[in-house]
Amino acid sequence: EPEVTQTPSHQVTQMGQEVILRCVPISNHLYFYWYRQILGQKVEFLVSFYNNEISEKSEIFDDQFSVERPDGSNFTLKIRSTKLEDSAMYFCASTLEGGFAFFGQGTRLTVV
Amino acid sequence: QKEVEQDPGPLSVPEGAIVSLNCTYSNSAFQYFMWYRQYSRKGPELLMYTYSSGNKEDGRFTAQVDKSSKYISLFIRDSQPSDSATYLCATLPSQGAQKLVFGQGTRLTINP
Repeated sequence: EPEVTQTPSHQVTQMGQEVILRCVPISNHLYFYWYRQILGQKVEFLVSFYNNEISEKSEIFDDQFSVERPDGSNFTLKIRSTKLEDSAMYFCASTLEGGFAFFGQGTRLTVV
Repeated sequence: QKEVEQDPGPLSVPEGAIVSLNCTYSNSAFQYFMWYRQYSRKGPELLMYTYSSGNKEDGRFTAQVDKSSKYISLFIRDSQPSDSATYLCATLPSQGAQKLVFGQGTRLTINP
């Protein structure tokens, strides 16, 4: 069964460092997303990406965040200068038609 | 007012019991309603989705939406220990909408 894959599963980084989280969405999907879940809190929408551009972003997705689809298979989330409060599970998701997203297993980001 | 509210539990029931999980939502524009299952430190897994009001059944799972009261339910029949997980409700205003809005999640434990 096709699935969304994310790497790494766990990333530890020092405050102020840049991190890139990587995702391979399901191959025929057209819409790509990043969500995050701070421990004990709701899953929160960060950004959606369609047709090689951001289609919607939340207020969380400020100038420190960027997304890219560098080739036909990968989708990345970059955090330019990490803060302690960026520590969370980050989930990549994809869907063919929009909406009913299929999620990856997540990357646990720990900022120290 | 929060867009989607869900009792975080925890909820603990014996194996074989019928489980009822519920959410309320505030925005009458929401049209699509989803239930995701999330095992500890894993990504959300899409279980079921429904459009507008009514019931949808899939094996031991039944999803129910009452738009008049803005109430979403998931029923699990003949619950199994493997059903132990956090259940997340989520909503969309339309199928093509980008941003899933999640509830807090209810942590469910099925005791053998």
